[in-house]
Amino acid sequence: ETGVTQTPRHLVMGMTNKKSLKCEQHLGHNAMYWYKQSAKKPLELMFVYNFKEQTENNSVPSRFSPECPNSSHLFLHLHTLQPEDSALYLCASSQAGTGGYEQYFGPGTRLTVT
Amino acid sequence: KQEVTQIPAALSVPEGENLVLNCSFTDSAIYNLQWFRQDPGKGLTSLLLIQSSQREQTSGRLNASLDKSSGRSTLYIAASQPGDSATYLCAVRNNAGNMLTFGGGTRLMVKP
Repeated sequence: ETGVTQTPRHLVMGMTNKKSLKCEQHLGHNAMYWYKQSAKKPLELMFVYNFKEQTENNSVPSRFSPECPNSSHLFLHLHTLQPEDSALYLCASSQAGTGGYEQYFGPGTRLTVT
Repeated sequence: KQEVTQIPAALSVPEGENLVLNCSFTDSAIYNLQWFRQDPGKGLTSLLLIQSSQREQTSGRLNASLDKSSGRSTLYIAASQPGDSATYLCAVRNNAGNMLTFGGGTRLMVKP
């Protein structure tokens, strides 16, 4: 595997379900990100992790719970979601620190909440 | 708060045409600007990253320019091909950290 991978690629879940999205990067980076892309809205940053520590939470509802066990893996745990949470969830990685480093994106997980 | 706007939202051109995509941002104190390509249902592929001190960057048939003082960037695509059909996203970084602010994208279709 190369680059940034995400699983699953597609997910349909009911509002009472609990599921998790997984992201893995094979680039040796130390910063990882979750973004949300809704129809007709710009890409929105959700969370940022630097060296496994969360450094940004962009006012994301608590029904989204991120986890970063190491610099290569990032999870997004989902519970009691709403239909408006249906979107494409993108993971990205980059070098950490102050340098405005280029971000590399995974293919995304298309989430549908029914 | 930084806001990024991309015009037009959609563009359809015949193959072979040269075209320009526009990106504007409200806060000119940016660190750098990045252009991405997104194919339907897929992730983002970075095309060009232009630092605030640079005026332009080139990669193949793509040329990105930056006018920081006026809050504008353009992506020029020469001799467009059907394979260029995708959504093009512009994103700005306001400091040397991690935060990117994205525009809404321009959906490009190049007809054979």
